[in-house]
Amino acid sequence: QQQVKQSPQSLIVQKGGISIINCAYENTAFDYFPWYQQFPGKGPALLIAIRPDVSEKKEGRFTISFNKSAKQFSLHIMDSQPGDSATYFCAARVRTSYGKLTFGQGTILTVHP
Amino acid sequence: NAGVTQTPKFRILKIGQSMTLQCTQDMNHNYMYWYRQDPGMGLKLIYYSVGAGITDKGEVPNGYNVSRSTTEDFPLRLELAAPSQTSVYFCASRETGTPNTGELFFGEGSRLTVL
Repeated sequence: QQQVKQSPQSLIVQKGGISIINCAYENTAFDYFPWYQQFPGKGPALLIAIRPDVSEKKEGRFTISFNKSAKQFSLHIMDSQPGDSATYFCAARVRTSYGKLTFGQGTILTVHP
Repeated sequence: NAGVTQTPKFRILKIGQSMTLQCTQDMNHNYMYWYRQDPGMGLKLIYYSVGAGITDKGEVPNGYNVSRSTTEDFPLRLELAAPSQTSVYFCASRETGTPNTGELFFGEGSRLTVL
């Protein structure tokens, strides 16, 4: 059972454009929603995270939008740069689950110069 | 500043062989995890540990075993390797107590091929 569904699987954006990656979840016990960024040959690294008591969180060019009623959240990358080319994973965690994350399938983002 | 260190980075196994993937962290984190990453499938939790001597199964534990004798080390054992275990394996750790961000710190991965 895939509890966190992520789309699209791959995304190509021109430099300066906006990249949008979407995730949907089923488990209403999730209380923490991070996004991880992974470069080739490296492990995932935390990019930005949100809790369900807020609808948006922004850090620089990266913004998470959260819709609790729809059980959806998304990552927006403004002014996308070639250096943003990476694989992005959304994830979710149940508060009492010893920090275990359930990951989405991943999105391969390519930003063309 | 080592963080989470995994060895080996690459390994080719024959069907039926066994091996251990090593993971060590120097951040004194109590929580540690093993994930496997397959194309288009995201990361799936294999096993996790909340402290020395305490381990539990994740989503895909079959064919694997773990141990946690120290806070620093969390090795993953593959018994009787099968082609379905061809994957990239990631070890991660997390601090506990408050305050903490909930962030998982990942190693750089171990790419395993079973032929």
